[in-house]
Amino acid sequence: KNEVEQSPQNLTAQEGEFITINCSYSVGISALHWLQQHPGGGIVSLFMLSSGKKKHGRLIATINIQEKHSSLHITASHPRDSAVYICAVRGGADGLTFGKGTHLIIQP
Amino acid sequence: DTEVTQTPKHLVMGMTNKKSLKCEQHMGHRAMYWYKQKAKKPPELMFVYSYEKLSINESVPSRFSPECPNSSLLNLHLHALQPEDSALYLCASSRFGTGGSGELFFGSGTQLSVL
Repeated sequence: KNEVEQSPQNLTAQEGEFITINCSYSVGISALHWLQQHPGGGIVSLFMLSSGKKKHGRLIATINIQEKHSSLHITASHPRDSAVYICAVRGGADGLTFGKGTHLIIQP
Repeated sequence: DTEVTQTPKHLVMGMTNKKSLKCEQHMGHRAMYWYKQKAKKPPELMFVYSYEKLSINESVPSRFSPECPNSSLLNLHLHALQPEDSALYLCASSRFGTGGSGELFFGSGTQLSVL
């Protein structure tokens, strides 16, 4: 079974700071997802990656397949970015293996 | 339409009640999923339907009964639940069935409270 580790577990930053959240996994995967969840809310898929790098607005996600590692970056962070960010990986079977999430708070 | 719609958004039920959660998508996705999420924990996979057939049941108690009437709809029938079943129930879909690696789209969830 894949082990997914995220760091940090909690992160508080000031508005405008550059944010990095890391994810590592133990077994080869077919895809890695970065997800966002606001308190009490559903989950929004931010990125699905199988290689390289993707960018959407102020969000950037990278993956290194050889090192089994991915990062999510937020540039010019804003209080509305406050949420739980979850890394999840997909292997051979259906469904996802989730990390425990990173609770991000951006203070004005 | 890139939405997964879940109803109801909130549900309170007693331990003797029977209720159903509904999930709908019109993206032509052939895999649909039920996840259970307790507060401050990651989601846990319950069931997967692939091409309208149950492909994965993660040892879920029989008081939870999934149903996939067609490729767009997924139901979760609830009966004789326990207070510890209170959680956020999330539905998701993906384009491909078993073994595929398509992106998952999640609904906003049903917050269930069992009294």
